Amino acid sequence: EAGVAQSPRYKIIEKRQSVAFWCNPISGHATLYWYQQILGQGPKLLIQFQNNGVVDDSQLPKDRFSAERLKGVDSTLKIQPAKLEDSAVYLCASSSWPYGYTFGSGTRLTVV
Amino acid sequence: GQQLNQSPQSMFIQEGEDVSMNCTSSSIFNTWLWYKQDPGEGPVLLIALYKAGELTSNGRLTAQFGITRKDSFLNISASIPSDVGIYFCAGPGYGGSQGNLIFGKGTKLSVKP
Repeated sequence: EAGVAQSPRYKIIEKRQSVAFWCNPISGHATLYWYQQILGQGPKLLIQFQNNGVVDDSQLPKDRFSAERLKGVDSTLKIQPAKLEDSAVYLCASSSWPYGYTFGSGTRLTVV
Repeated sequence: GQQLNQSPQSMFIQEGEDVSMNCTSSSIFNTWLWYKQDPGEGPVLLIALYKAGELTSNGRLTAQFGITRKDSFLNISASIPSDVGIYFCAGPGYGGSQGNLIFGKGTKLSVKP
């Protein structure tokens, strides 16, 4: 089966700019996650969707981060405005429940 | 909150050597997962443990779920260069969410041929 697709792979932006990441999960996976992985750390959950509804966004900095999964398939994560500390790899994952996670390759964001 | 502590932070070993790393928590976990992350890629699941005391193997990898449910270890036997990467332990978080994972900070493994 095709894996979790993410784009772009790399992005460099200046602070205060906005950026968006896209994720297409494995077909049929109802649950989609966005994780943030800062260099030298393990991934940290930002938001979890079940179909097109939000299950958990308690760790999402809502003043600058937003995410949507309109048709219960692909998802976008947006940061506006970006800060230097947002430099990280943003990983998307999907699962059939709740394990059997498959991660995408991630988007490496550098904020300068 | 829940936290997973991994040790060692990094390891430099010779090809052919065995490797052991562990993960501890102050909280009880009902599931322990071990992932490997290669540079530029997302984590890939190696082994999942669901029962206290469980010992599970996947090729040269063996992992155990500690009896107290607060720890787990991962062993790699006869290491090879492609074992290089970062190894993460993970467990399910709580607080109203099913499926989200808590990750340790990882053990970085380097293998000298």
